Amino acid sequence: AAGVIQSPRHLIKEKRETATLKCYPIPRHDTVYWYQQGPGQDPQFLISFYEKMQSDKGSIPDRFSAQQFSDYHSELNMSSLELGDSALYFCASSPIGGEAFFGQGTRLTVV
Amino acid sequence: QKEVEQNSGPLSVPEGAIASLNCTYSDRVSQSFFWYRQYSGKSPELIMSIYSNGDKEDGRFTAQLNKASQYVSLLIRDSQPSDSATYLCAEGNAGNMLTFGGGTRLMVKP
Repeated sequence: AAGVIQSPRHLIKEKRETATLKCYPIPRHDTVYWYQQGPGQDPQFLISFYEKMQSDKGSIPDRFSAQQFSDYHSELNMSSLELGDSALYFCASSPIGGEAFFGQGTRLTVV
Repeated sequence: QKEVEQNSGPLSVPEGAIASLNCTYSDRVSQSFFWYRQYSGKSPELIMSIYSNGDKEDGRFTAQLNKASQYVSLLIRDSQPSDSATYLCAEGNAGNMLTFGGGTRLMVKP
């Protein structure tokens, strides 16, 4: 069965650079979530989209932005990267009101 | 205060025993609850979902929900070393945002 696809799997950036993470949800899933997970921490909700519109917003820094496109894929744009942004970034998708399934994650390292 | 609370553990059980993981939540209007298993460096994997009071069984896993007491639990019967992982409890709100607890690390010793 198709799963949530994230790219890239690994990304190394320098401080103050910009990064773009991509997420391709499971077909017919209309909700996409982004989570950030630091070392030894639980996943922290960043932002979600339903039918290409932002549906909820969590602890997402102003330096980050995200959108969902007409084909339902989503991109998380991160600017002015800081060392503290180093983390695993997970995307998950679900049908409305249904169970969420996670992608494999993107490991971002800021040096 | 986190909206979803879990004992961070580690919870250590011998192989073959029952592991009991607990989670409490503060939002009385929460409708859906999920248990995810996460191995180190991997993505969370959905194990169980539960939406109504009572028990829900799936193989060796049983989820229990008590909305009056605002807790949800996960029982793992016949625990195996491969069950050793962090178990994340999550609750879903009306906006479908998942809120996770801090996770409980389970160690099953052979």
